[in-house]
Amino acid sequence: AQRVTQPEKLLSVFKGAPVELKCNYSYSGSPELFWYVQYSRQRLQLLLRHISRESIKGFTADLNKGETSFHLKKPFAQEEDSAMYYCALTLGYNKLIFGAGTRLAVHP
Amino acid sequence: DVKVTQSSRYLVKRTGEKVFLECVQDMDHENMFWYRQDPGLGLRLIYFSYDVKMKEKGDIPEGYSVSREKKERFSLILESASTNQTSMYLCASSFGGDRGANEQYFGPGTRLTVT
Repeated sequence: AQRVTQPEKLLSVFKGAPVELKCNYSYSGSPELFWYVQYSRQRLQLLLRHISRESIKGFTADLNKGETSFHLKKPFAQEEDSAMYYCALTLGYNKLIFGAGTRLAVHP
Repeated sequence: DVKVTQSSRYLVKRTGEKVFLECVQDMDHENMFWYRQDPGLGLRLIYFSYDVKMKEKGDIPEGYSVSREKKERFSLILESASTNQTSMYLCASSFGGDRGANEQYFGPGTRLTVT
């Protein structure tokens, strides 16, 4: 069965520390994966997708098919990175399966 | 700039009432989606539509129905609201096509409380 697992509900770090938000997936086909972010009082929005292989706001994510993972990383966290982060896996018709989400709290 | 709007930010309804949640997008997107967002559960797909008058069940369709009479509008209907339907409801839209996934654009959400 298709599934997205984000094992951490909350990740708490200090400003300037490295961040890694974990995401593991279960999918028999060729996966397309995304990270969506929701800042406080804002709507959910796309952060990045694996096929574009780009860095957005200093975040990167590499698809590791061997480990079925798509972890989100940033070398130096900023306070404005505090938000709810969701990993998502695409199915047909552009449908997405979302993980339960990880709240990132960056402290000064 | 893509705009997805939802008819209400906050809604309080009584058990057994019929509830309509409206969503409108202005980008001529083929696909529209309704999710509910609950802490610890993430976003779960209720229904989606890939064309006018077309709909498919998502993961948790029980107790809900949808209507898409026009391309830009997608309505979620709770036929008889129950307390376990208290949640945040998110609408989203995206371009269609079957060549990989397109970005989904989300509305601001409707927080529904059923008492």
